[in-house]
Amino acid sequence: NAGVTQTPKFQVLKTGQSMTLQCAQDMNHNSMYWYRQDPGMGLRLIYYSASEGTTDKGEVPNGYNVSRLNKREFSLRLESAAPSQTSVYFCSTTGSRVIHTQYFGPGTRLTVL
Amino acid sequence: EDQVTQSPEALRLQEGESSSLNCSYTVSGLRGLFWYRQDPGKGPEFLFTLYSAGEEKEKERLKATLTKKESFLHITAPKPEDSATYLCAVQAFPQGNLIFGKGTKLSVKP
Repeated sequence: NAGVTQTPKFQVLKTGQSMTLQCAQDMNHNSMYWYRQDPGMGLRLIYYSASEGTTDKGEVPNGYNVSRLNKREFSLRLESAAPSQTSVYFCSTTGSRVIHTQYFGPGTRLTVL
Repeated sequence: EDQVTQSPEALRLQEGESSSLNCSYTVSGLRGLFWYRQDPGKGPEFLFTLYSAGEEKEKERLKATLTKKESFLHITAPKPEDSATYLCAVQAFPQGNLIFGKGTKLSVKP
């Protein structure tokens, strides 16, 4: 039972390159989230998926796209990476539509040069 | 606008020196307040959920309390392994997304 897994753990991109961050959960949770964490900024919500087949924008969606592939998997895509997207990215899940106690993955540290 | 403010930004304690971390919030209606622990290079780890003013929850050396405007995370006789960043988050009615504070970095020296 791995909980929430994220791949890759580290990634270095050049400006303009694209990549997809992967997140998978084996908790049978309906809702999944993508956050970014920057020094002095706290966790900020990028996109979320309340259930399979739905996605919605969070606080900072510009420059990102997401895909809820199935109930287990939620991916985050950077189409044309920019240095401002250098950050640590976390995926999380919750099994409740009412109380959003979230469980986080280990994170992906992304550097855009 | 819903907001969460944590203080202090950093706290250094000697082993055994008890203290408290503060989380002040403004939200239209509180569905829940959450405390997480985050170790360097890792994802946040869930600690507590508090739902209403007056509620308290405990886990080992940690006790979380909630009032209508703030929450405290009390650390009793801390040990070096309690060193981490502690994050607070709130969820607004009816089913709002979590809003996180910037965290308090706790260092406990032996």
